[in-house]
Amino acid sequence: DADVTQTPRNRITKTGKRIMLECSQTKGHDRMYWYRQDPGLGLRLIYYSFDVKDINKGEISDGYSVSRQAQAKFSLSLESAIPNQTALYFCATRKGGPSNTGELFFGEGSRLTVL
Amino acid sequence: AQSVTQLDSQVPVFEEAPVELRCNYSSSVSVYLFWYVQYPNQGLQLLLKYLSGSTLVKSINGFEAEFNKSQTSFHLRKPSVHISDTAEYFCAVSDPSGGSYIPTFGRGTSLIVHP
Repeated sequence: DADVTQTPRNRITKTGKRIMLECSQTKGHDRMYWYRQDPGLGLRLIYYSFDVKDINKGEISDGYSVSRQAQAKFSLSLESAIPNQTALYFCATRKGGPSNTGELFFGEGSRLTVL
Repeated sequence: AQSVTQLDSQVPVFEEAPVELRCNYSSSVSVYLFWYVQYPNQGLQLLLKYLSGSTLVKSINGFEAEFNKSQTSFHLRKPSVHISDTAEYFCAVSDPSGGSYIPTFGRGTSLIVHP
């Protein structure tokens, strides 16, 4: 089983619908991230969380919200999806603390299409 | 603020030829540098990283990158590529001084290896 699991892997929805993308991890990491990947734009940070009670906005948080239900679970929600939110979404984790090296561990991605 | 520039969006090359993927960064502080690889329909995975010490770092599959502080570059090289190296490659930089280590990614370079 993957260490970082994202569900669903693919989703097609309509404008205005509420969508939730879920991420769970078995790596025991405290830091979790949501990125969005668009062709030619690389990865852009949407939200990140350093622990269950810590949620921070990234560079493109507008139109998104997150929930850190437990150390192992971090969900991304689109309250009212719009077509320009069509993208590939990645969850990532990282170990915190003085021994960490900054390396991120990624899930396999959730491809979202908003019609 | 830090930024990453990957100078080539696409690099086509024939099998067994050498390749260089270029990465420049801007940061006013010391940095950690990373190259991630994304194979088709997969998430990103770490290829190699520079944290400190030797400026030349190597991966297990023949890639290497050299940290050049004066030129603020971290170019990725391989002397002889294989078809299986076809993938998207992302350069990333993070600032360890503040403790957050949140990486900034470049826009990616698509390496296309032709037979």
